[in-house]
Amino acid sequence: KQEVTQIPAALSVPEGENLVLNCSFTDSAIYNLQWFRQDPGKGLTSLLLIQSSQREQTSGRLNASLDKSSGRSTLYIAASQPGDSATYLCAVRAAGNKLTFGGGTRVLVKP
Amino acid sequence: GAGVSQSPRYKVAKRGQDVALRCDPISGHVSLFWYQQALGQGPEFLTYFQNEAQLDKSGLPSDRFFAERPEGSVSTLKIQRTQQEDSAVYLCASSLVVRGEYNEQFFGPGTRLTVL
Repeated sequence: KQEVTQIPAALSVPEGENLVLNCSFTDSAIYNLQWFRQDPGKGLTSLLLIQSSQREQTSGRLNASLDKSSGRSTLYIAASQPGDSATYLCAVRAAGNKLTFGGGTRVLVKP
Repeated sequence: GAGVSQSPRYKVAKRGQDVALRCDPISGHVSLFWYQQALGQGPEFLTYFQNEAQLDKSGLPSDRFFAERPEGSVSTLKIQRTQQEDSAVYLCASSLVVRGEYNEQFFGPGTRLTVL
């Protein structure tokens, strides 16, 4: 059974510092990995999707890497801003179509 | 609409009541998913439709949970005889491509269910 873990569970940084969020998964036979952002009381906003054949994806200040063989992905957010405060979730798609999620990392960027 | 919509956004039910949660996927999206998110946790898969066919319902926690998508568009998640442990946010997602590489799932705002 696929298990996804996100460490740390919570992170607090001063504005301007780079953020590094980690995601690990137990079964490397995945089709893709998706990073989401969730604001309190809201749904999930997709940030980046990395296919299993890709090593990384970039969008603006966000960069996500994928090392399928070791079961790891890292989301980097450069020059953090208070508006980046949210919970970040990673999810993997393996056999079947469902996503298996990690527990999330709650990020606070202090002005 | 531009995105996935869900209604109601909030639902309070007394223990034992039946509830129905609605999801309107993005127009043309073939796949539709339901997830349950407990407070402080990541979402967990409940069930998946491809058009009107329910292809996977392995995540439904009990036979009190039932989902349908009769015309391959709008879906309803029904919970019978609600229990306190059913309190959670219920998220709906849809995606355009069933197979192949691009399978990005787009999520709705969720329905927060509180069972008293």
